[in-house]
Amino acid sequence: AQSVSQHNHHVILSEAASLELGCNYSYGGTVNLFWYVQYPGQHLQLLLKYFSGDPLVKGIKGFEAEFIKSKFSFNLRKPSVQWSDTAEYFCAVIPGGFNAGKSTFGDGTTLTVKP
Amino acid sequence: EPEVTQTPSHQVTQMGQEVILRCVPISNHLYFYWYRQILGQKVEFLVSFYNNEISEKSEIFDDQFSVERPDGSNFTLKIRSTKLEDSAMYFCASSEASWNTGELFFGEGSRLTVL
Repeated sequence: AQSVSQHNHHVILSEAASLELGCNYSYGGTVNLFWYVQYPGQHLQLLLKYFSGDPLVKGIKGFEAEFIKSKFSFNLRKPSVQWSDTAEYFCAVIPGGFNAGKSTFGDGTTLTVKP
Repeated sequence: EPEVTQTPSHQVTQMGQEVILRCVPISNHLYFYWYRQILGQKVEFLVSFYNNEISEKSEIFDDQFSVERPDGSNFTLKIRSTKLEDSAMYFCASSEASWNTGELFFGEGSRLTVL
């Protein structure tokens, strides 16, 4: 079975700092990769996704992620964070060929941005 | 923008009681899902539903759980006899007919507290 690990449980940054959240997965075949965000008191929302093509994907609100197949990684980045980015971030993986419901989520990383 | 809606937002129940959580998926979606998130833990897949039947379920989804689409709009999760460890946030999600879009649209969640 596939698994997803997010190395940082809690990240605290000041506004304008750069962000990188790590995500590694274990699955030998083709994968679809996602980052979801959960703002305080709100539901999960899709931030960005990778299915194929350019391994550098851009999402909403200035976020991007790079798929590095050799490292089984899909790290999330943002060059300059804002206070409003304070949220919990989840990496998710779906093996290629399965329906979307077979998503495996990481434990999540809580990001706190200090104004 | 269309969204997934869930009711109730919070339910408190006694151990051993039956609970029904309700969801209204996005109207043109055909795949429906339930996930749960125990406080401080990762989001876990419970079940997926397509064409009026369960298409996938996890080991968490035992005989105490059932899902139903009683009419054209609602999608329900029933827990027959709740246990303390069922306390969690339950998220409903839906996705479009095409399996490989992979994007899940989540509701805001129903918090279940079992006393």
